[in-house]
Amino acid sequence: EAQVTQNPRYLITVTGKKLTVTCSQNMNHEYMSWYRQDPGLGLRQIYYSMNVEVTDKGDVPEGYKVSRKEKRNFPLILESPSPNQTSLYFCASRREGTSVYFGPGTRLTVL
Amino acid sequence: DQQVKQNSPSLSVQEGRISILNCDYTNSMFDYFLWYKKYPAEGPTFLISISSIKDKNEDGRFTVFLNKSAKHLSLHIVPSQPGDSAVYFCAAHRGSSGNTGKLIFGQGTTLQVKP
Repeated sequence: EAQVTQNPRYLITVTGKKLTVTCSQNMNHEYMSWYRQDPGLGLRQIYYSMNVEVTDKGDVPEGYKVSRKEKRNFPLILESPSPNQTSLYFCASRREGTSVYFGPGTRLTVL
Repeated sequence: DQQVKQNSPSLSVQEGRISILNCDYTNSMFDYFLWYKKYPAEGPTFLISISSIKDKNEDGRFTVFLNKSAKHLSLHIVPSQPGDSAVYFCAAHRGSSGNTGKLIFGQGTTLQVKP
């Protein structure tokens, strides 16, 4: 089954404790992105990747890091999480000419 | 700067009637528009799209209309069904040069279809 998977689905952590949210897709898509969803703001892109070892900032990259060492994986790293990073996070992927496929989401709470 | 706006946070419609969800945008460089549907605890799923060279696209009960001069698009659902109750996001794609797959999303509209 073609899908984008994320782990964990839910996470509660404390300020400053490094965390990683994993993302994997099995569709051999070149493009992968991370979005966050916040009330009244819709989904905003954090980082994106056009292919392996090619990443760039989206609209709200502050406080986040990403890496793309393999085509299928695109982890999101929060080196020192803060409460304003409490949000619902979605990983997404697409191939040129196709629509974007989203993962099921990761709900992160930073205390 | 919200380039894609959905000004109605919520919409309630009776089953069998038409649902009309609206979306406005400001950037004339957008060349592709999409609607996504999102159920609670799930990721958004693609619903329907329209290229900027068209003014209408239809897929079953769903039709998207694009008015480029007004920078406005709308999603029509006819007839509406209770299973259509979800959050609907309008999204725009910004150009194909250096294509990043980036979508600019609106704030979302929560549709409730009452039986």
